[in-house]
Amino acid sequence: NAGVMQNPRHLVRRRGQEARLRCSPVKGHSHVYWYRQLPEEGLKFMVYLQKENIIDESGMPKERFSAEFPKEGPSILRIQQVVRGDSAAYFCASSPRQGKMNTEAFFGQGTRLTVV
Amino acid sequence: KNEVEQSPQNLTAQEGEFITINCSYSVGISALHWLQQHPGGGIVSLFMLSSGKKKHGRLIATINIQEKHSSLHITASHPRDSAVYICAVSPYSGGGADGLTFGKGTHLIIQP
Repeated sequence: NAGVMQNPRHLVRRRGQEARLRCSPVKGHSHVYWYRQLPEEGLKFMVYLQKENIIDESGMPKERFSAEFPKEGPSILRIQQVVRGDSAAYFCASSPRQGKMNTEAFFGQGTRLTVV
Repeated sequence: KNEVEQSPQNLTAQEGEFITINCSYSVGISALHWLQQHPGGGIVSLFMLSSGKKKHGRLIATINIQEKHSSLHITASHPRDSAVYICAVSPYSGGGADGLTFGKGTHLIIQP
């Protein structure tokens, strides 16, 4: 039973390049959440997606960041024209349904983005 | 917006000691999670609580909804328990990853 799979685990990008982070949820889960963990800070919510829909993107920076969860394939968090301040660990979590059952939170291993 | 405070921020203890990590939040919730993160590692869910107490091996989690407070206890601590322990709260009774607000974490080091 594969959990939440994120890749790559580590990503190095030069300033100005694009970063693409992938998240495959637990099989059967239709809700995906992205969180960012800056050095020495707690996890912060970025975006909540269902298949083909963005439900809540209130935590996403207004520029350069976008997310999608297509009908087929993994969820993608895309950061355009990366800057040093984007260096962080990005975690994905998935859930089967919102508010319908008691369930633990399933998190991935994270992608550690370093911008040089 | 919920504020989640954890204490202590850092804790170093000797192997075998009883460990307590505390979490307080400012607004009523429906679910509280305790998570574990090893250095450079992923995040693992330890407990989800909406009331009372849960136990899993050497780990015990309690929650007092009226006082807006939860504790995570580790009995007979071991160096492999060294990790960051994160408290997260949700306004949704279904649990999962919905609407989570996180504390900054408690860095625990257990020395042999």
